Amino acid sequence: AQSVTQPDIHITVSEGASLELRCNYSYGATPYLFWYVQSPGQGLQLLLKYFSGDTLVQGIKGFEAEFKRSQSSFNLRKPSVHWSDAAEYFCAVGVTNFNKFYFGSGTKLNVKP
Amino acid sequence: NAGVTQTPKFQVLKTGQSMTLQCAQDMNHNSMYWYRQDPGMGLRLIYYSASEGTTDKGEVPNGYNVSRLNKREFSLRLESAAPSQTSVYFCASSEIGGLFFGPGTRLTVL
Repeated sequence: AQSVTQPDIHITVSEGASLELRCNYSYGATPYLFWYVQSPGQGLQLLLKYFSGDTLVQGIKGFEAEFKRSQSSFNLRKPSVHWSDAAEYFCAVGVTNFNKFYFGSGTKLNVKP
Repeated sequence: NAGVTQTPKFQVLKTGQSMTLQCAQDMNHNSMYWYRQDPGMGLRLIYYSASEGTTDKGEVPNGYNVSRLNKREFSLRLESAAPSQTSVYFCASSEIGGLFFGPGTRLTVL
């Protein structure tokens, strides 16, 4: 069965520090991978996606993610965090021609001034 | 171009009442979805519709029904609301490229 694991429920980083949010997935075939961000009281916004090709993908707001097939991981990174990045981040796997998407339980990011 | 719209934004029900959550998209997407979001559990798929005229169960379909009225609209119905259905409900649509979400409906069942 497909599953997505985000092992960190909460993360706190200082403004200007680097960030890495972890995501591991379980899926038998080549996955389609996504990161979404949700600000408080808002819907989810797509940050970036991986379908194939270059394993390092760039997204909006200065985020990037690296697909590592050997580790079944798709970690999200940002070199320098801004206070406005405080939000909840969700990793997702798309399967079966995109008819289904499975989400991790989310990581809440807190940014210290 | 409004994207995905949902109504209502907020709703309070008493146990046993029924209601329908409405969703519409103007992106001409074939696939539409209903998710619920609960603290610490991420988003869980309730039902989805791969195309007009088809619907399929997701992870947590019990207590819900859906209707894909046309390509644009996908509604979620609670026939007899229960406190366990207190949640935030998101509608989404997709083509290749990922999901596009509506703003959500916050439902409380007393």
